[in-house]
Amino acid sequence: SQKIEQNSEALNIQEGKTATLTCNYTNYSPAYLQWYRQDPGRGPVFLLLIRENEKEKRKERLKVTFDTTLKQSLFHITASQPADSATYLCALLSGGYQKVTFGIGTKLQVIP
Amino acid sequence: EAGVTQFPSHSVIEKGQTVTLRCDPISGHDNLYWYRRVMGKEIKFLLHFVKESKQDESGMPNNRFLAERTGGTYSTLKVQPAELEDSGVYFCASSAGREHSPLHFGNGTRLTVT
Repeated sequence: SQKIEQNSEALNIQEGKTATLTCNYTNYSPAYLQWYRQDPGRGPVFLLLIRENEKEKRKERLKVTFDTTLKQSLFHITASQPADSATYLCALLSGGYQKVTFGIGTKLQVIP
Repeated sequence: EAGVTQFPSHSVIEKGQTVTLRCDPISGHDNLYWYRRVMGKEIKFLLHFVKESKQDESGMPNNRFLAERTGGTYSTLKVQPAELEDSGVYFCASSAGREHSPLHFGNGTRLTVT
């Protein structure tokens, strides 16, 4: 069955460092991969989308890579700030109006 | 633009009772989704509307769950009768009509069945 793995353990990093979150998947050939941010008591908020034929995507301090051979995406936040503390969700989708499948998310804590 | 709104934000009901959750999507978004997060688990897909039609309801747990989207605007999700395992946070999301459009989520309804 399709499976998305994110490190459900919290990731603690020092302010100013680069945070790297990992998303691995099995039994899936996604056409697109998205990353969302979720704060406590709120719904997920879309951050970035990357296509299967793209290796890397950047948006301000965010960078996402997508390796379809390794079946892995890495999500980087450079110069991290305490305001970046949240849970980050990886989401996969096939082409067309398909349902989005979410990973469990990784909780990031940026320590001042 | 107004975001996706969900009502109520919290609901506590007893086993066997009925609860109806409501979702108002972003105006103009034809796609509407319901998701659920059970404690400690990932957010799971329940169903997808395109306008008033059910495009995919493969994630609905059983026939105690009924979703409607009258007129292709707001949607309701009714649970009748509620069971303990129905507890969780129910999220609604909407998206524009383009392929791989990002989902815009509401803040969810936290349902507790006692």
